[in-house]
Amino acid sequence: AQSVTQLDSHVSVSEGTPVLLRCNYSSSYSPSLFWYVQHPNKGLQLLLKYTSAATLVKGINGFEAEFKKSETSFHLTKPSAHMSDAAEYVCVVSYSNYQLIWGAGTKLIIKP
Amino acid sequence: EAQVTQNPRYLITVTGKKLTVTCSQNMNHEYMSWYRQDPGLGLRQIYYSMNVEVTDKGDVPEGYKVSRKEKRNFPLILESPSPNQTSLYFCASRLAGQETQYFGPGTRLLVL
Repeated sequence: AQSVTQLDSHVSVSEGTPVLLRCNYSSSYSPSLFWYVQHPNKGLQLLLKYTSAATLVKGINGFEAEFKKSETSFHLTKPSAHMSDAAEYVCVVSYSNYQLIWGAGTKLIIKP
Repeated sequence: EAQVTQNPRYLITVTGKKLTVTCSQNMNHEYMSWYRQDPGLGLRQIYYSMNVEVTDKGDVPEGYKVSRKEKRNFPLILESPSPNQTSLYFCASRLAGQETQYFGPGTRLLVL
């Protein structure tokens, strides 16, 4: 069965330190992969997406993610966290029939 | 401005009192869908619509109805709300053949 797993429900980092949000998927196909961000009381905003082009994808707000087929991973990173990055981040996998599989989300907490 | 709007944004109601959450998009998207977001479960699709007068069940359709009489609108109807429908609801839309969805700001529903 196709699935997506976000390994951490909460991640807490200090401002100015690197961020790593993990996402693994299971698939026998080549999927498209997305990261969405949800700020409190706001809708979901597309952060970045991978659709079989370059494996390192750059998104908005300094985030990037690397598609690693051998590890079936699409981890989200940022070199230096900012207070405004505090939000929930959701990893999404899309298969050839446009079926979307949603991760459970990771809440990113930024400590001053 | 291209957007998906939902109304109301917040709603408190009582068990059994019919309610409708509206969703409207101004991007001429064919595909629209409704999700609910619950802690630890991520987003789950309730219903979707491929185009006008074409709707289908998602993963958790029980207790919900939808209609798609016009391309821009996709209301979600709860005929007899129950407390287990307390959740955060998102409407989304996309162009046919595209994977990127655009989300509304969410509707937070509390059923007492």
